[in-house]
Amino acid sequence: KQEVTQIPAALSVPEGENLVLNCSFTDSAIYNLQWFRQDPGKGLTSLLLIQSSQREQTSGRLNASLDKSSGRSTLYIAASQPGDSATYLCAALPGGSEKLVFGKGTKLTVNP
Amino acid sequence: ETGVTQSPTHLIKTRGQQVTLRCSSQSGHNTVSWYQQALGQGPQFIFQYYREEENGRGNFPPRFSGLQFPNYSSELNVNALELDDSALYLCASSFQGAGEQYFGPGTRLTVT
Repeated sequence: KQEVTQIPAALSVPEGENLVLNCSFTDSAIYNLQWFRQDPGKGLTSLLLIQSSQREQTSGRLNASLDKSSGRSTLYIAASQPGDSATYLCAALPGGSEKLVFGKGTKLTVNP
Repeated sequence: ETGVTQSPTHLIKTRGQQVTLRCSSQSGHNTVSWYQQALGQGPQFIFQYYREEENGRGNFPPRFSGLQFPNYSSELNVNALELDDSALYLCASSFQGAGEQYFGPGTRLTVT
């Protein structure tokens, strides 16, 4: 059974800092891994999707990496801004399944 | 291109009542998945519909049921509502086999 863990549960940083969010998963047989952003009470916005054959994906100030052998993914946010404040969720899609398995998220606060 | 839409945005029901939530999938997508997100938790997979049939189900009781229509839109029905059913219900659409899921804004259900 796939389990996804995100550490830390909450993170507070000053504006401009570079930061890394961590995601680990127990079963390396994944099809892909997605990172989402969720604002309070809102739906999920897809940030980056990494296929199992890829090592990383980049979009603007965001870079996500995937290491299947160690069961880890990281989301790197460069030059953080107050507008980046949100909860960030990672989700693994097990091979042969259409069911996303989510972590509990990391709540990020970027202070001006 | 129209994104995933959900209705209603939020609603309040009494324990024991029944509720129907609706989801319109993104243009070109043929698969709809439903997730329940309790406060402070990651989304949990309820079930998925593909070609108007259930295509996988999470650990939810039979009082959670669904439908998918020929235009790929979907409904989630919950009977005999319980207080613990209070949550954000998220719908995601995708193209079967493509892996990436796109989420709607969610429906906030409160059971009193």
